[in-house]
Amino acid sequence: QSVLTQPPSVSEAPRQRVTISCSGGSSNIGNNDVNWYQQVPGKAPRLLVFSDTLKPSGVSDRFSASKSGTSASLAISGLQSDDEADYFCAVWDDGLNAYVFGSGTKVTVL
Amino acid sequence: QVQLRESGPGLVKPSETLSLTCSVSGVSISRYYWGWFRQSPEKGLEWIAYVYYRGSANYNPSLRSRVTTSVDMSKGQFSLNLTSVSAADTAVYFCARDGVQFAFDIWGPGRKVIVSS
Repeated sequence: QSVLTQPPSVSEAPRQRVTISCSGGSSNIGNNDVNWYQQVPGKAPRLLVFSDTLKPSGVSDRFSASKSGTSASLAISGLQSDDEADYFCAVWDDGLNAYVFGSGTKVTVL
Repeated sequence: QVQLRESGPGLVKPSETLSLTCSVSGVSISRYYWGWFRQSPEKGLEWIAYVYYRGSANYNPSLRSRVTTSVDMSKGQFSLNLTSVSAADTAVYFCARDGVQFAFDIWGPGRKVIVSS
């Protein structure tokens, strides 16, 4: 069981918007920067968001992230078929002294 | 273009040592911190270790007693050793570059390792 809770799956029609939540605690999200990764099955994770809200170059503006207290979220607008993937939040946990990942959310484009 | 690639045996016997190497191209290994991860259906994505070319390292406490790492600057490689493996260590192992404070921005393709006799 991860210390970061994500919904197992979300689905929405093309061109719509989905939001993925990541719930943690004061020792992780509440005190450290959250990162988000996208992973297509069989491939390596890809960094989508770092430092809570920042995006590496090349990441579409359709992806946005936010954080409030001990929760973070990733939004994908204008859903496209190639957004189908697993999405993970990740953050350093001061109590565990470890970098921890959420269990992942599978995004399906209907 | 920065690239990473994991290499090592794909099959390891129980109780033996799993050894993997990550080869880095396109950037000096001394410029960044580097990480090791693994992923299995049972445990999901798991951070294993965080290494720096000068030899400093930080390990996941759950694996610390079995993990060692090393860096070979001359070859542009860093390595992972995991001792006393069991079936629970079967996973896809990844190496990655820490772009900024635990935001891993470049990953190797992964190396599947099966622990079985």
